Amino acid sequence: GQSLEQPSEVTAVEGAIVQINCTYQTSGFYGLSWYQQHDGGAPTFLSYNGLDGLEETGRFSSFLSRSDSYGYLLLQELQMKDSASYFCAVRECDSGGGADGLTFGKGTHLIIQP
Amino acid sequence: DAGVIQSPRHEVTEMGQEVTLRCKPISGHNSLFWYRQTMMRGLELLIYFNNNVPIDDSGMPEDRFSAKMPNASFSTLKIQPSEPRDSAVYFCASSPPGQAEETQYFGPGTRLLVL
Repeated sequence: GQSLEQPSEVTAVEGAIVQINCTYQTSGFYGLSWYQQHDGGAPTFLSYNGLDGLEETGRFSSFLSRSDSYGYLLLQELQMKDSASYFCAVRECDSGGGADGLTFGKGTHLIIQP
Repeated sequence: DAGVIQSPRHEVTEMGQEVTLRCKPISGHNSLFWYRQTMMRGLELLIYFNNNVPIDDSGMPEDRFSAKMPNASFSTLKIQPSEPRDSAVYFCASSPPGQAEETQYFGPGTRLLVL
């Protein structure tokens, strides 16, 4: 099975940079994904790392290190609208070589202060 | 383009009643996922389908839960009989072929309250 650990809450200042970490335990997986969810809304896909290294999408970047079982989401130039919960997720390879659905972490609530 | 459509958006029912949640995935998507979200347990995968075939239902909590996908454009999640602990937000998501299934598109969710 899989388990993912991420901080429950992070506070940052508007305009700053914040990093949300995710550590995981899983036996073989395809990659690490990140989703954003505003209060009362649905999760929205942000980023995916299939390979080690950094992926950049606008103000958001995501990093994966398989050897360290670690990844992070980096948000730059923070805006008030970035206040939301952020989830890391993995899709494990099943024993038959196929893929299971996503397993999500418990989420990090990001609070942006003016 | 329309996203994933779920109905109803809100459901309040009494314990013991049957509840049916509906989902229409994005046209052309061939994978469909049902998730449940609660404060205590977070976002949990219940079941997912690939090309209308159930692939993994290990997340379905009990026999009271069942899911079907009779065609590529429709799926249902049924709870019979419902219990107060089933109260949660139920999300349906879909993903297209040819992409990593990590890229999932979620519907707005159905907020279920069982009294």
